[in-house]
Amino acid sequence: EADIYQTPRYLVIGTGKKITLECSQTMGHDKMYWYQQDPGMELHLIHYSYGVNSTEKGDLSSESTVSRIRTEHFPLTLESARPSHTSQYLCASMAQGAIGNTIYFGEGSWLTVV
Amino acid sequence: QQPVQSPQAVILREGEDAVINCSSSKALYSVHWYRQKHGEAPVFLMILLKGGEQKGHDKISASFNEKKQQSSLYLTASQLSYSGTYFCGTAGGATNKLIFGTGTLLAVQP
Repeated sequence: EADIYQTPRYLVIGTGKKITLECSQTMGHDKMYWYQQDPGMELHLIHYSYGVNSTEKGDLSSESTVSRIRTEHFPLTLESARPSHTSQYLCASMAQGAIGNTIYFGEGSWLTVV
Repeated sequence: QQPVQSPQAVILREGEDAVINCSSSKALYSVHWYRQKHGEAPVFLMILLKGGEQKGHDKISASFNEKKQQSSLYLTASQLSYSGTYFCGTAGGATNKLIFGTGTLLAVQP
């Protein structure tokens, strides 16, 4: 079992508010990811990190930002939330082993902007 | 750039077999397969690291054709618990940036 945690699980906020979605893993993984997924739809990579102080944007353009000050922590921030940001956000980290790399997902954060 | 999966959706009766395909327009270094149940996070099924490699777990197996940039997931004698959306994920080069496919919804009926 992987130890990767996301908070909050569910959040309803008003337009224009600033929010931060937290993601933490206790496995010491260097690589971490944020995916955005609308219900029943595809997973889109919006941010990834190779390690501390290393972040890159993913394939789907996102107005969110991320930071990686500590290995175990990879928060995602929206400075001014809009209804178009309503979605599920999934955090993941990658374990690198002899048999290959495996991605472990957190339980997700459901964001609704009203 | 996103891998394309086919079919988009499939409905099976218990005990029937299914094949899900994943095609990429870019060279593949590895292919991952995940299953996602409704309202839950994706769960890792298996990873294939090199062309021609086939892996299996219980009655679910997969193959990887590096030359064709394709992978297929085989579900044999499907069970109700196999229902969900299946995603392939592809990673290339040293970045290990994992991009997921378009997804295949599988519904197994009694």
